[in-house]
Amino acid sequence: KAGVTQTPRYLIKTRGQQVTLSCSPISGHRSVSWYQQTPGQGLQFLFEYFSETQRNKGNFPGRFSGRQFSNSRSEMNVSTLELGDSALYLCASKEGPQETQYFGPGTRLLVL
Amino acid sequence: GENVEQHPSTLSVQEGDSAVIKCTYSDSASNYFPWYKQELGKGPQLIIDIRSNVGEKKDQRIAVTLNKTAKHFSLHITETQPEDSAVYFCAASSPIMDTGRRALTFGSGTRLQVQP
Repeated sequence: KAGVTQTPRYLIKTRGQQVTLSCSPISGHRSVSWYQQTPGQGLQFLFEYFSETQRNKGNFPGRFSGRQFSNSRSEMNVSTLELGDSALYLCASKEGPQETQYFGPGTRLLVL
Repeated sequence: GENVEQHPSTLSVQEGDSAVIKCTYSDSASNYFPWYKQELGKGPQLIIDIRSNVGEKKDQRIAVTLNKTAKHFSLHITETQPEDSAVYFCAASSPIMDTGRRALTFGSGTRLQVQP
């Protein structure tokens, strides 16, 4: 099976802009989670979607949002970008309630 | 919520030596503990996991041990090779209050360097 794919892999934006990142889970996986990874804060959970519904949400401001489509693909959006949003954004998928999740390669976002 | 502490933050070993990374967790309801390896420019890759009903699990040169009483778990890599050099993350799955769901909390990572 193909792994989790994320697009784009790299992105440069300026403060105040918005950005949309995309994630395609492993075929058959219905749960998609998003994480932000920075050197200072490590891996932080953003949100999880399952069957097009947000199941869990981490402690991030409302500028961070996401959605999941009927084919389980997911997007996350960050509006009004700040310098501190520069990070590696990781998507992970799993089949369902079980906890074994698999990560994609990430999208590296740089905000100037 | 769950808190996972990971030590050491950096570890340098000679090729062929063993490496041990330790994590402690706070929530006694945590029941699943995966370990991930992240190489430069890549996403974390699951290398081994253990559930709370098991004390030890082994996969070739990698093993994980779990002590539920002390609430700590460890990753052991034997006969280390240069390609083992990466950042390793531990995680614990704990219940989210009043939801019936669970979430993974990650440790801060250990940068392992294997010197040839």
